[in-house]
Amino acid sequence: GAVVSQHPSRVICKSGTSVKIECRSLDFQATTMFWYRQFPKQSLMLMATSNEGSKATYEQGVEKDKFLINHASLTLSTLTVTSAHPEDSSFYICSARDDTGELFFGEGSRLTVL
Amino acid sequence: AQSVTQLGSHVSVSEGALVLLRCNYSSSVPPYLFWYVQYPNQGLQLLLKYTTGATLVKGINGFEAEFKKSETSFHLTKPSAHMSDAAEYFCAVTKNSGGSNYKLTFGKGTLLTVNP
Repeated sequence: GAVVSQHPSRVICKSGTSVKIECRSLDFQATTMFWYRQFPKQSLMLMATSNEGSKATYEQGVEKDKFLINHASLTLSTLTVTSAHPEDSSFYICSARDDTGELFFGEGSRLTVL
Repeated sequence: AQSVTQLGSHVSVSEGALVLLRCNYSSSVPPYLFWYVQYPNQGLQLLLKYTTGATLVKGINGFEAEFKKSETSFHLTKPSAHMSDAAEYFCAVTKNSGGSNYKLTFGKGTLLTVNP
């Protein structure tokens, strides 16, 4: 089946630094990808919809200057957490939609900000 | 707006027993409904989905769910639990817009533990 890969799976950084997380669709092209954030023992909260070749659409309450999303190709979307702080520590999950409309999720990336 | 309520944040069953995970949804338009499973520190894997047609949907690993419009429910069941079923389960809903709108709204999840 279709595979979506995230990298890195785990990242630890110092407060104030920026961290980039990649989401790749390995065997299909994805015009639309989604980024979610998951707090411990909680559900996934949609952060933004990433559209290839255009600006991402952010959900209400998500700071677009804080969470930069780039979808430069049909197989890659990146989420950059800028000037990360401990409250940004979370599990970030991406998903990608293939041309049949099927949605596939990445393995997730756990960010820890010290 | 759409919402999902999963009754019971934690369900514990014995191996071989029936698994029943409850999901109720709210949607002003016909919904697409999904169940996903998440193992620790992993992403989500689709178990099954309802879009249109038959209301009883069969998924992977022996799971099935029934869409009941009158009850606005989409409960997940499995006749006999295996130890490997222990995981977090999420119910999700999106609008049936005919255009594959996969902007999902998730429930808070139900942690399933299976006792030997």
